[in-house]
Amino acid sequence: SQTIHQWPATLVQPVGSPLSLECTVEGTSNPNLYWYRQAAGRGLQLLFYSIGIDQISSEVPQNLSASRPQDRQFILSSKKLLLSDSGFYLCAWSVQEGSEKLFFGSGTQLSVL
Amino acid sequence: AQKVTQAQTEISVVEKEDVTLDCVYETRDTTYYLFWYKQPPSGELVFLIRRNSFDEQNEISGRYSWNFQKSTSSFNFTITASQVVDSAVYFCALRGVFGNEKLTFGTGTRLTIIP
Repeated sequence: SQTIHQWPATLVQPVGSPLSLECTVEGTSNPNLYWYRQAAGRGLQLLFYSIGIDQISSEVPQNLSASRPQDRQFILSSKKLLLSDSGFYLCAWSVQEGSEKLFFGSGTQLSVL
Repeated sequence: AQKVTQAQTEISVVEKEDVTLDCVYETRDTTYYLFWYKQPPSGELVFLIRRNSFDEQNEISGRYSWNFQKSTSSFNFTITASQVVDSAVYFCALRGVFGNEKLTFGTGTRLTIIP
């Protein structure tokens, strides 16, 4: 069966520090991968999605970046965090054909202080 | 552009009451998918249902039911005989059918079931 792992679960970082959140998927090949952010009182905002290795699309201009060095690995990064980067970050995957369902990881609560 | 509106930010009901969560959407696509997800306190989103736009038949799954009205662009979700375990944030979402379309989410409705 397919599983998605996302870590860390919580993270407190000072403003200006770097960020690296990692997400891996097991039990499937060539998935679509996504990073979403859920800010307090707001809906889910799609940040990045990827249809393959090194194929990343950015939805929202920001100081975050994403990379997909391996088929089932998706990394969210920042060189210098801002206060506004605080939020709940969710990684997700779906099958390439049809994207019938989106499966989410358990999320990372990021607090930038 | 696609848009999903969940006007109810928070709802509280007493256990065993029925509750309906509203979802209204906008899209220029003639064929699309609609979804509902549940986000329990643990954080991860759990898939509940996907509905094709060309299938307006309502669906029931246990205590859950969904009312899709294409004429009013609504896809409402009803929980009957609510239970405390139903407490969560519920998201409605929309995506196109063709290509690698992305999900557009509503802002979510926080449902609290009072014991």
